[in-house]
Order: sequence, then structure tokens, then C-alpha cells
Amino acid sequence: DQQVKQNSPSLSVQEGRISILNCDYTNSMFDYFLWYKKYPAEGPTFLISISSIKDKNEDGRFTVFLNKSAKHLSLHIVPSQPGDSAVYFCAADTGTASKLTFGTGTRLQVTL
Amino acid sequence: DVKVTQSSRYLVKRTGEKVFLECVQDMDHENMFWYRQDPGLGLRLIYFSYDVKMKEKGDIPEGYSVSREKKERFSLILESASTNQTSMYLCASSGQGWGGYTFGSGTRLTVV
Repeated sequence: DQQVKQNSPSLSVQEGRISILNCDYTNSMFDYFLWYKKYPAEGPTFLISISSIKDKNEDGRFTVFLNKSAKHLSLHIVPSQPGDSAVYFCAADTGTASKLTFGTGTRLQVTL
Repeated sequence: DVKVTQSSRYLVKRTGEKVFLECVQDMDHENMFWYRQDPGLGLRLIYFSYDVKMKEKGDIPEGYSVSREKKERFSLILESASTNQTSMYLCASSGQGWGGYTFGSGTRLTVV
């Protein structure tokens, strides 16, 4: 039972354009969401997070949007850069600061 | 910066062998986790621990066990390795409250 879903396994975007990565969840108890970025042969690194009391959080080129009623979040990267090419995982937690549930990942390729 | 160190980057083991994957963190974190990453399946939680000598099953504990004798060290044990345990194994740690996880670089295990 996949509680956190990333339905696009891959995405290709031109350098300078916007990348939009999507994530859906089913567990209504989730109230804290994170995005991680993973390069090959490295562990995932934290990118940005959002609490359910907000609908938007911004950090430089990265913005995460949360639509609680739709149980949907998205990560916007603008402008996209070649160094953004990686696998992106969304993750969710029930607010107990205990264990994260991860999505299946989306491989982003930013082309020149 | 928090550092999570996994003892091996690459391992090749034979079917039936007992395999130990070691993870050490240096920031006095209470929580430690073992995940495996497989294409199309994302990160799946195997076991986690909230304290020394404590362990809890994650989503896919079958065929694995863990040991946490010291706060900084969390070991994953494959009692009798099988080919379907060929995967990337990721260790992570987190402190109390919300700070997300810090991951190690991963161990790519191949069982032949």
C-alpha cells in the first residue's frame, strides 16, 4: 500500500525552464512533508519541507506547494540548472518526528 | 555537520552468507533507520530504532535483523543473504524534534 506516490518516474526539462515534480499521498494523518534529492552513489540530502499549516514554502529556486484538500504537493524549481539533475523523493510524516514514508522518486534531467 | 558513515560502499556476498552492514553517526542522534532503495519502489523502511537496545520493524523487515548496542551505531544483519536482497541500503539518523533525516552514502550490496 503506497501511501506516498510520485506518478512520474522521470522528467526532462530544458535549462532555465521550470521543473515541476508532483507527489500525492493518501494518509490524512500526514502533516509534515519533505523533499529529498539524491545523486547516484550518494545518500539523499534534504532539500525543503512544509508543514500542513502552510500552503507554500520557498527557499531560493525551490518552492513547495501543499494542497491538503487534494492530498497533493509539488516541488517547483525555477530556473532549472544542469546540477539539479537527480532523483527527487517526497516524504511525509505524521508529525511525531518519528519515521518518514517516502515516495518512489522522480528522476529529473535538466538538459542544456 | 551531522555525519552518518556506512562502513562499505560496495559489497558482494554469496547466497546464504550472513552479512553485516554497519552505520555510525556522530551527532548523538536518538533515532536511526535502515532503508533499501530499489528502482520503481523508492525508499522502503526495513527497521528503525529510537534508543539503544530498542528496535522496531519497518515495512519490510523479513530476512533482516538489527542491533543497536551503542547510541551511535546501528547494524543491519542479513541472516542468510538471498539474491532478492541485492539493493542499495541507506542508513539515516535524526534527533528529537523535527530536523529531518541525515543519510549515509549508502551500501550497494550484490548477492550472487
